[in-house]
Amino acid sequence: AQTVTQSQPEMSVQEAETVTLSCTYDTSESDYYLFWYKQPPSRQMILVIRQEAYKQQNATENRFSVNFQKAAKSFSLKISDSQLGDAAMYFCAYRSGNSKLTFGKGITLSVRP
Amino acid sequence: DTGVSQDPRHKITKRGQNVTFRCDPISEHNRLYWYRQTLGQGPEFLTYFQNEAQLEKSRLLSDRFSAERPKGSFSTLEIQRTEQGDSAMYLCASSLGTGALFPSPNYGYTFGSGTRLTVV
Repeated sequence: AQTVTQSQPEMSVQEAETVTLSCTYDTSESDYYLFWYKQPPSRQMILVIRQEAYKQQNATENRFSVNFQKAAKSFSLKISDSQLGDAAMYFCAYRSGNSKLTFGKGITLSVRP
Repeated sequence: DTGVSQDPRHKITKRGQNVTFRCDPISEHNRLYWYRQTLGQGPEFLTYFQNEAQLEKSRLLSDRFSAERPKGSFSTLEIQRTEQGDSAMYLCASSLGTGALFPSPNYGYTFGSGTRLTVV
């Protein structure tokens, strides 16, 4: 069974600085997708960034980028120029083919003004 | 299209009562998923449908839980004889899935805002 581990329960970053959120996963499959989702308090979960396992290039979406290390099964999220609106819970998730998402426990990110 | 809609947003019920939640997915999405999220945890998969067919059920989905998607559009999740341990946020999501290993460009899901259930 696939597992996703987010070992840091909380992190804090100063506004305008950079923060990295860690995620590791375990799978025996070679083709899969990895995601970071953001869940603001009392609001719906939204997709931040995705990575296809067959792609060597790390995904980037504006201020958000990932460091995907397939051999190490590591998938970290870097948020540059942090903004107050980035404060939320962030979930790392795994998906193979068309099947379900497997989520980590999440990390609460706070942004200090 | 306004995204994935879930109703109600909040439900408080007494232990032992039955509750039913509704999810309306994005109209062109053929796949619909139910997840349960307890406080401070990530969502856990419950079940999913492709059109009207229920393709997978988690072991979390006990006999007291039943989900339907009768016409391949909206879905309902019913919990019978609710227990305090059922208190959670129930999330619905939809996606456009195909039979291919690498699905449509919509790799991610669109989530609804969830139904928060409190069993007292």
